Amino acid sequence: AQSVTQLGSHVSVSEGALVLLRCNYSSSVPPYLFWYVQYPNQGLQLLLKYTTGATLVKGINGFEAEFKKSETSFHLTKPSAHMSDAAEYFCAVTGLAAGNKLTFGGGTRVLVKP
Amino acid sequence: GAVVSQHPSWVICKSGTSVKIECRSLDFQATTMFWYRQFPKQSLMLMATSNEGSKATYEQGVEKDKFLINHASLTLSTLTVTSAHPEDSSFYICSASVPSSGANVLTFGAGSRLTVL
Repeated sequence: AQSVTQLGSHVSVSEGALVLLRCNYSSSVPPYLFWYVQYPNQGLQLLLKYTTGATLVKGINGFEAEFKKSETSFHLTKPSAHMSDAAEYFCAVTGLAAGNKLTFGGGTRVLVKP
Repeated sequence: GAVVSQHPSWVICKSGTSVKIECRSLDFQATTMFWYRQFPKQSLMLMATSNEGSKATYEQGVEKDKFLINHASLTLSTLTVTSAHPEDSSFYICSASVPSSGANVLTFGAGSRLTVL
């Protein structure tokens, strides 16, 4: 069984400030981890993913995330927030045996203040 | 890149009627598609896995007779909400695995918002 916990359903940051979105997972098999972004009334867009190899992964729009097995975490960061980063962010997990079935976290809504 | 197209984007229907939502993979073949449901301000919940040429696999708690899934071709899966009621109002999103995108990467459609009056 797999599960994902995103700490904080809402995060407010100032434009130019660091964005940090927390994600912890539980998985009985080696996890594949993802971050997706969702804009209002739209589907999900992949920001980045971790499957194997380098634990620090870089994605689109300046985002990156680090897989920490010891902490079962996959936190998402961006050094400098932009107004266009205001959206809902979802962390998700799957595994080799899960057949592409993603389990999503509850989501974190990011508000960027000018 | 690969695109998953959903239609309609918005649909309003009367209680008791049925509504069909289409999910198409453009420029690639999808043997498997996934249907998710998202309530306002909540996360996505997997409803079912749609398999081309065979029956869909439903998640626990999802009524298969209520949410009919048909995956008749490698580029089209449909979700039909039968005898819809106001509690079925939700945002429905489909996704598909794109072979060229790597392991377990799903491409999502833009979603279909259903409102049942």
